[in-house]
Formats: sequence, structure tokens, C-alpha cells
Amino acid sequence: SQQGEEDPQALSIQEGENATMNCSYKTSINNLQWYRQNSGRGLVHLILIRSNEREKHSGRLRVTLDTSKKSSSLLITASRAADTASYFCATVGGGGSRLTFGEGTQLTVNP
Amino acid sequence: ETGVTQSPTHLIKTRGQQVTLRCSSQSGHNTVSWYQQALGQGPQFIFQYYREEENGRGNFPPRFSGLQFPNYSSELNVNALELDDSALYLCASSLGGTSGNTDTQYFGPGTRLTVL
Repeated sequence: SQQGEEDPQALSIQEGENATMNCSYKTSINNLQWYRQNSGRGLVHLILIRSNEREKHSGRLRVTLDTSKKSSSLLITASRAADTASYFCATVGGGGSRLTFGEGTQLTVNP
Repeated sequence: ETGVTQSPTHLIKTRGQQVTLRCSSQSGHNTVSWYQQALGQGPQFIFQYYREEENGRGNFPPRFSGLQFPNYSSELNVNALELDDSALYLCASSLGGTSGNTDTQYFGPGTRLTVL
């Protein structure tokens, strides 16, 4: 079963705009990760944030984590057409390392 | 490129048949995880292998089985295929084990399985 939900399910913006995607989850976690997937191919790891962290940056990506609300957001600044993809959040909880994914957000960046 | 490879890229089978999918992990990684991704959904965890032993299993029936070899490559076997098994099958390698809760998993390109 899926851990949580991503919001929105689909997002369409113009090149240069910022894109924000949200993720909610249900159980306690060790970390939360964001992945990108192009056209039903393999997943590319973007960023990992640990449960004791609140914010993390990587290039044009900014991730926040609010464990009290069991939610996370991914911000992509100055978007490019090449950012068009599906974005998934995935949580790791308990003692293992299995990833539990959300349903994903389909981002379209129009040139 | 993650260094994780999967074969075949695409596969078409009929109901009741058996299929074997293969995954070569990134050099130095001792853990392989398998995921099933139905169209329009997020991936779902099938199972994980760590140093040739199963190390966790998701909510999949026993007809989904796996192996990990001494070189840490892995196979996913599915018996008695059903139409609902049509999906993208992804493997991911990591340097895992007991300390793995902050490991990054590196995904292969996937195998697209169609069951007719």
C-alpha cells in the first residue's frame, strides 16, 4: 500500500517559474527522499532529508520536512523544460531501508 | 547513469507463464531491492536481498520470488502470471545492511512486463 499522497497530482507551469510539490505520509519515518522519473523509466534520486532535519537544499531544489504534520514539500526554483517529469516522495521507516512511495506529481514545464 | 542495469527492457508473456527478470547492481553494492510500478502509480516494494538473503518483503504473494548471487546481481521470478502483473519492474541497489536507513538507492531503467 502507498504511504501517503502527493499534491497536486499534476502541475503545469511556464519555464522560469517555481514549482512546489507536497507530500504527506502516515507513519513515523527515519528519512524522506524525493525521486524523479522521466517517461516511465528508472527513478533518479534527488535529495534525502532525515527525520531530525527541517530543511535541505541541493542546487535548485529545496526540501522541507514537518514531522509533526507528517508532510514534506519539494520546491524547484527557476524551472526548465528539462524538469518535466514525475516526482515521487518516498519514506523509510522502522529498522529497514525499504522505500514506501507516494502516487507522484506529474510536472510539466512549458518552454 | 546509476550503473544499475536490468534485462530485458521489455517482455511480453501470456497468463499462466513464468518470467525471470535480471538486475546487475552498482559496483560495491551488496543490497538489491525490487519494486513493481503499475501504470500511473508509485512503485511498490516487493522484496529486498542483502548478501544473498531475503531482508524484507512487501505485500506480494509467494509466486513472486527472488535470488541474489555472490556477485550481488539478482533475479526476480514470477510464476503463474496474471494480467495484473503487467507493470514496470524496477530494481535498486544500495550499500545497505543494518546501517541502511539513510542509504540512497540507485535504480535501474526497469523492465516493462506486459501480460496478455
